[in-house]
Amino acid sequence: ETGVTQTPRHLVMGMTNKKSLKCEQHLGHNAMYWYKQSAKKPLELMFVYSLEERVENNSVPSRFSPECPNSSHLFLHLHTLQPEDSALYLCASSHLAEAGELFFGEGSRLTVL
Amino acid sequence: AQSVTQLDSQVPVFEEAPVELRCNYSSSVSVYLFWYVQYPNQGLQLLLKYLSGSTLVKGINGFEAEFNKSQTSFHLRKPSVHISDTAEYFCAVSDLGAGNQFYFGTGTSLTVIP
Repeated sequence: ETGVTQTPRHLVMGMTNKKSLKCEQHLGHNAMYWYKQSAKKPLELMFVYSLEERVENNSVPSRFSPECPNSSHLFLHLHTLQPEDSALYLCASSHLAEAGELFFGEGSRLTVL
Repeated sequence: AQSVTQLDSQVPVFEEAPVELRCNYSSSVSVYLFWYVQYPNQGLQLLLKYLSGSTLVKGINGFEAEFNKSQTSFHLRKPSVHISDTAEYFCAVSDLGAGNQFYFGTGTSLTVIP
């Protein structure tokens, strides 16, 4: 139990589907993140929510849409994705007031056909 | 923005041998430094972190790292590796002056050979 739970762990979708990834943290943190992990590339920060407000989106394509309804939950809504979007999507959380690290979930492995 | 360089993409090492995984970052301004480990089909777990104080930091599973400000390095070491240390290792830098931004290296795949 890492304190950050992601569902689903695996997802296969077609390019015309709409799906969502879910992340929940039980650590009392006030910042949550979505990262994309592709082979042999640095982790790519997609979105940051600080105190439930989005502070970073790093020019992510609009086919990825984040939602943070409260400090414990984070979603990534997916639609009309491309095969190159296939990757491991990692959620993380941290506490802004502490010199702390990111706590990661186990990731959602996405395959776009 | 920071950049983090992990020069070795793959490191094979025999069991019980020592290992060093290298990490360099781009800026010497105040930063926090981290090493994470990722086992297959899992997320990243923190191994150790440097915030301030002693430049030698000890972490879990017998790992340690040394912060060298003049060389902007934060190399990870273990004196004797075990089969279970086979995993992907990521170095990360946090530039807390920029909204808790974290920057990651491309990772080093450590394979421990029996």
